[in-house]
Amino acid sequence: DQQVKQNSPSLSVQEGRISILNCDYTNSMFDYFLWYKKYPAEGPTFLISISSIKDKNEDGRFTVFLNKSAKHLSLHIVPSQPGDSAVYFCAATYFGNEKLTFGTGTRLTIIP
Amino acid sequence: NAGVTQTPKFQVLKTGQSMTLQCAQDMNHNSMYWYRQDPGMGLRLIYYSASEGTTDKGEVPNGYNVSRLNKREFSLRLESAAPSQTSVYFCASSERTALHFGNGTRLTVT
Repeated sequence: DQQVKQNSPSLSVQEGRISILNCDYTNSMFDYFLWYKKYPAEGPTFLISISSIKDKNEDGRFTVFLNKSAKHLSLHIVPSQPGDSAVYFCAATYFGNEKLTFGTGTRLTIIP
Repeated sequence: NAGVTQTPKFQVLKTGQSMTLQCAQDMNHNSMYWYRQDPGMGLRLIYYSASEGTTDKGEVPNGYNVSRLNKREFSLRLESAAPSQTSVYFCASSERTALHFGNGTRLTVT
């Protein structure tokens, strides 16, 4: 039972345009969400997070939106740059639980 | 500051062989984790340790054992490797929720 789903295995976006990566979850207990970025032959690195008390969190070119009623979050990257080409994982957890549940990942390719 | 260090980077085993994957962190984190990454499956938690001397099973613990040797080190052991354990293994540590990952061990079991 996949509690965190990323339904798009891959996404290609022109350099300079907006990249939108989507993530859905099924567990109503989840109240904290994170995005990780992974380059080949490296471990995932933390990118941005959002708590369920917010519906938006912004950090430079990266913005995460949370729609609790739809159990959906999205990561927006504006403008997209070639260095953003990577696999992006969303992850979720709940208060008091340090273990993260990860989605299956979306491979983002930025086309120069 | 090395962060999370995993050894080895690559390993090939024959079915039935055993091996231990090593992980050490220098961030003084209490919690440590072992994940495996498989195509189309994302990252799945194998085992978790909230502190020195404690370990808990994750989502896919079968075929693995772990040891939290001290606060820094958390090892993963395959007693009798199987082709289904071919994967990339990541160790991670955390103090709260944001995990810090090592660069992984790519394991192939033939």
